Amino acid sequence: QSALTQPASVSGSPGQSITISCTGTSSDVGDYNYVSWYQHHPGKAPKLMIYDVTMRPSGLSNRFSGSKSGNTASLTISGLQAEDEADYYCSSYTSRSTWVFGGGTKLTVL
Amino acid sequence: QLRLQESGPGLVKPSETLSLTCTVSGGSISRSNYYWGWIRQPPGKGLEWIGTIYYSGNTYYNPSLKSRVTISVDTSKNQFSLKLSSVTAADTAVYSCVSILESTRIDYWGQGALVTVSS
Repeated sequence: QSALTQPASVSGSPGQSITISCTGTSSDVGDYNYVSWYQHHPGKAPKLMIYDVTMRPSGLSNRFSGSKSGNTASLTISGLQAEDEADYYCSSYTSRSTWVFGGGTKLTVL
Repeated sequence: QLRLQESGPGLVKPSETLSLTCTVSGGSISRSNYYWGWIRQPPGKGLEWIGTIYYSGNTYYNPSLKSRVTISVDTSKNQFSLKLSSVTAADTAVYSCVSILESTRIDYWGQGALVTVSS
């Protein structure tokens, strides 16, 4: 299975909004509403930010939101803050009953 | 709150088998709404899904690793394990065990174990 496609890097200034895309196929992102997003600060365990395409875990800031159109899912972070700087990974359930990650996107807060 | 802890050798020789165990605490590995999985991250690279197991023993493997991977579960010890055979330097990575809730998202991660493949 091929990794989902994410941009290698995105950047934004504090207070701005950014969107990270995650493109798969009709066998994963396009066929299931089981897309999740993880924030990863190096040296720490990744943190779940979005699941089931649009759902936020309890207690997570509503600055983080998810969406999907066709084979592409997206993570939007509004009101960027310095602590949002991290690597972000998408993941999707697949038709093979497996899971697949995206290649990761490095978010830089300017 | 679940806690997961990886254990196993940090150095494995090329062509040998990598073996890791994940001990789950704070809840039963037999709970029906959880799967259990292994993920790895090679140095400087992204996350890669290795495979997943249900407490009943049903397994699901990354097709690219399937021929070399075995994941098993021991409900009596609240543990699940990973074996990766015929390792090469490309298998050097931080290996993490995870809990997967409702088969849709990872809610807990182990701290990760660096495994280096080198002679």
